[in-house]
Amino acid sequence: QQQVKQSPQSLIVQKGGISIINCAYENTAFDYFPWYQQFPGKGPALLIAIRPDVSEKKEGRFTISFNKSAKQFSLHIMDSQPGDSATYFCAAVSYKYIFGTGTRLKVLA
Amino acid sequence: GAGVSQSPSNKVTEKGKDVELRCDPISGHTALYWYRQSLGQGLEFLIYFQGNSAPDKSGLPSDRFSAERTGGSVSTLTIQRTQQEDSAVYLCASSLVSSGGRTDTQYFGPGTRLTVL
Repeated sequence: QQQVKQSPQSLIVQKGGISIINCAYENTAFDYFPWYQQFPGKGPALLIAIRPDVSEKKEGRFTISFNKSAKQFSLHIMDSQPGDSATYFCAAVSYKYIFGTGTRLKVLA
Repeated sequence: GAGVSQSPSNKVTEKGKDVELRCDPISGHTALYWYRQSLGQGLEFLIYFQGNSAPDKSGLPSDRFSAERTGGSVSTLTIQRTQQEDSAVYLCASSLVSSGGRTDTQYFGPGTRLTVL
């Protein structure tokens, strides 16, 4: 199965709160899991990525948690800011990218 | 350094006309991808190039859509006899292909917004 299921479709968080976006996959051949951030009118840009040999990767306020046995991974945005308001896409990669359907995040000031 | 560039940034056309969208990948990137993004929607894969050949064209929605890549660099996506449902943002991405054939990070261009009246 090549699908990547992403949830929620949209998310509203108060400034300073934690934003959590989840993705699940089925194909165990995937070996790279990036998250992309897209602002209106712009192309997606790589935010953070993880390989399945680690369970967590943190870069600043952004953390990926990876559960290989459950075939799930999630993006956590700590201390969410209005500037984080964007659409976030997860992807699972083997020889090609399979993108999730996206999550529209709005952080209220 | 230069990223992925796409032109035009916006294109308005009349139903039935042909359009060409251009992508200039990052220099040295052998892999190039085209995606379509409808308003508020996810990324719909269209076609993948490795060098000048397209081993995966499975996402092209109809025979009105075609793409080519020349010199292992610039790619053109052509839509013939455009329809209103073709209105979307067309995104191009490029990447290196690491050893073993695994794809590396994809870098996206800003997209071309196509409006078919």
